Amino acid sequence: GESVGLHLPTLSVQEGDNSIINCAYSNSASDYFIWYKQESGKGPQFIIDIRSNMDKRQGQRVTVLLNKTVKHLSLQIAATQPGDSAVYFCAEKFETSGSRLTFGEGTQLTVNP
Amino acid sequence: DGGITQSPKYLFRKEGQNVTLSCEQNLNHDAMYWYRQDPGQGLRLIYYSQIVNDFQKGDIAEGYSVSREKKESFPLTVTSAQKNPTAFYLCASSIALGGTVQETQYFGPGTRLLVL
Repeated sequence: GESVGLHLPTLSVQEGDNSIINCAYSNSASDYFIWYKQESGKGPQFIIDIRSNMDKRQGQRVTVLLNKTVKHLSLQIAATQPGDSAVYFCAEKFETSGSRLTFGEGTQLTVNP
Repeated sequence: DGGITQSPKYLFRKEGQNVTLSCEQNLNHDAMYWYRQDPGQGLRLIYYSQIVNDFQKGDIAEGYSVSREKKESFPLTVTSAQKNPTAFYLCASSIALGGTVQETQYFGPGTRLLVL
């Protein structure tokens, strides 16, 4: 399954499928990106990050892809599990903003058993 | 057990009342942040502090105040001037390495503020 982040804020997938969550970021001068997972009523949890000098970074069951040409960031979750159901946010840091992050609106991922 | 704690989990405010939300971290992080989250929206930065006794306004600071008297604490006061305070408030922190605050922010569990 695939979502377009800001344009399609919900994504529903079957357990075991791979999920792709997309994020169109705003600033071509952004040099750092993070994906967070937020479960209902809880604080965001760090998943994975990537710097602008990289195109791809892998973690446990997750991969982040960065396409600077079109200002696009994606989060791939392999073998999606019911526990992956949450809202996923991307955040970007502008080159000149110090440690400040700018957050997207998020995508709600629902995993059906 | 290291982490960021926020209290209370739920807070009720009467009209015209100031309320203070607590944020404490024992991660030895240098920078701390306060965000506001409204339903179906992303996080918006209220205030942040990169060092003790110093803080800067974020994008929506009006109606809020903060202090940073200790490294581990960054309380947020929602004043009566904030006319629409109902929201989920999140505190975060990040470490400084080599004198530079790192971008990776770690969040507390949040406080939900409701107006009576």
